[in-house]
Parts: sequence; C-alpha cells; structure tokens
Amino acid sequence: DSGVTQTPKHLITATGQRVTLRCSPRSGDLSVYWYQQSLDQGLQFLIQYYNGEERAKGNILERFSAQQFPDLHSELNLSSLELGDSALYFCASSPGTGQGEKLFFGSGTQLSVL
Amino acid sequence: LAKTTQPISMDSYEGQEVNITCSHNNIATNDYITWYQQFPSQGPRFIIQGYKTKVTNEVASLFIPADRKSSTLSLPRVSLSDTAVYYCLVGDHVAGGGADGLTFGKGTHLIIQP
Repeated sequence: DSGVTQTPKHLITATGQRVTLRCSPRSGDLSVYWYQQSLDQGLQFLIQYYNGEERAKGNILERFSAQQFPDLHSELNLSSLELGDSALYFCASSPGTGQGEKLFFGSGTQLSVL
Repeated sequence: LAKTTQPISMDSYEGQEVNITCSHNNIATNDYITWYQQFPSQGPRFIIQGYKTKVTNEVASLFIPADRKSSTLSLPRVSLSDTAVYYCLVGDHVAGGGADGLTFGKGTHLIIQP
C-alpha cells in the first residue's frame, strides 16, 4: 500500500459528461501529480501541484482541469468526455521538499467513456 | 518530452540476471535517475534511485557511469513475477523541476519465461 488513495476505482460514463476524480496524498506529502495511461500509451504526465499551487504542466487537455485543496487532497475534473478519454488515471504524491524525490502512486481510477 | 530512451521490450529466463539500459544524454546536473516497476492495472512502484556510481538495494542494482549519460538497472536472478514494465525517469523532481522530468515514456516491457 503506497498510502495514496484514489476514488473511485472504476467510473463508467457517457460521452459529453463531466466527472471528478479524487486523490488523497500520503500523509505529509505536499506534491500531487496526475497521470493518464491508455492501452497504447505509456504514462502521460498531466499536471503537478505543490502545496495548492500548479507547479508543472504536461499534456493536459483544455477540457481537463485540476486543483489541490488546503487539506492537500486533489481533484482532476474531466469535462465534455470523449471515447478517447477512456484510460487509467493515476495520482502520485511526494514530499515536495527536496531533490530526487520518489513518487508514490495510487492504484488508479479506471475511466470508461461509452 | 521524455528525457530518456529505453528498449521497448526484453525477455529472459528465470534465474538469470537482467540488465536494462536507459539513455539520457541531456541529463542535467541536478537530475536524479529513478526506476519504477509497473504491473498491469497497477500504479508504478519505486525500485531504485541514484545520482552517480552504483547503488544497490534488496531488489536491484543501478549502475551509472561517470558521464551519467546512461544508466543500467540490474535485476539479479529474476523470477516470473518480475514480468512487468520498467520505467527510467530522469529529473530533479523539485517543485518547479518541470514537466520533462516527470515524463515516463513508454518504458521497457520485460518478459520472464520459465
């Protein structure tokens, strides 16, 4: 158990809908990262937050947004969903305080868009 | 854009030593080299991390030459359960380190046969 909690584990929805994925980082970790993994792709970095502020941005679509709350949990919002958004979405966390930090990943949310 | 290049796949047999090399020609002074292991439908898991020379833990060894432009993950006496995707990640992971250092790429799919 990495200590990173993601909910829900599975989500099935229709095209055009909006969903919210939630992540609770390990206790004490200030950085949260979101990744997308589809069948034919590696891990695609989406976005990083550090202590409530956006710190790095990857290949995140404009239809997607995220935030990190004062209690350090994070949410990834996906809107106007398309079939191609079906993927495993992982959240990771790290202390955020130094170099060479290790990322601790949650077990992911499997999103299926029908 | 991933800062690393790895073989797409490798195979070996139980009991053998497996070496997976990662190229990172543009590694920066502050970058660390971190390897992760991922099983299907699970989040990646930290294996080992190094900055220079050699690092060994209970699971693997990591060899880094003096120029740090590549690194080799060594798995001693592999078993069937080592079949997984292995990712090499190069970055400083400090808040503000940037998206490139958080991009995993496609990884190396290692298949262990009996």
